[in-house]
Amino acid sequence: SQQGEEDPQALSIQEGENATMNCSYKTSINNLQWYRQNSGRGLVHLILIRSNEREKHSGRLRVTLDTSKKSSSLLITASRAADTASYFCATDGRDSSYKLIFGSGTRLLVRP
Amino acid sequence: EAQVTQNPRYLITVTGKKLTVTCSQNMNHEYMSWYRQDPGLGLRQIYYSMNVEVTDKGDVPEGYKVSRKEKRNFPLILESPSPNQTSLYFCASSLRGTGNIQYFGAGTRLSVL
Repeated sequence: SQQGEEDPQALSIQEGENATMNCSYKTSINNLQWYRQNSGRGLVHLILIRSNEREKHSGRLRVTLDTSKKSSSLLITASRAADTASYFCATDGRDSSYKLIFGSGTRLLVRP
Repeated sequence: EAQVTQNPRYLITVTGKKLTVTCSQNMNHEYMSWYRQDPGLGLRQIYYSMNVEVTDKGDVPEGYKVSRKEKRNFPLILESPSPNQTSLYFCASSLRGTGNIQYFGAGTRLSVL
């Protein structure tokens, strides 16, 4: 079953602009993680946010979590062409904490 | 260097011919898992393993087998591959489970003719 759904499916912005991606999920979670994937390659971890946290920062990345709305957002500030990739959220539900469920991803294109 | 290694990276096979995709990690991680990635569907978990000799089904286990005889290795076995198993496969590992950072292999692109 698909737990996380990303929105938008695709996003095209100019270098220097901010990019915001959203993730919605269906059931209560322990943690939510964001990953990045360059075309056809392995995923790379970006940020993990726990269910009792509301916001986390890492460099140009800012993640928020709203458990009441079952949603999270990933903000990339001052984007660069090198940020072009697909971004996925992943959740582990409280009812099945050994499974990790990924969303379908947002494809981000940053134009130079 | 800490890494998850999958082999082979590319594989073309025919329907019904048994194959194994190997996965090995050198980080002494307890948790390992397999995913398949198909266009528009994101990653779907096939099987996972909490530790040696402990495995369980993910969301799409049909047609796959796994084993975890050693902590570092978690092979994915397709006993009788079919064309609908054509996909991009990823192995991942983490220290203890889904609450930890997942480290992914580079992927195995499988085509079943």
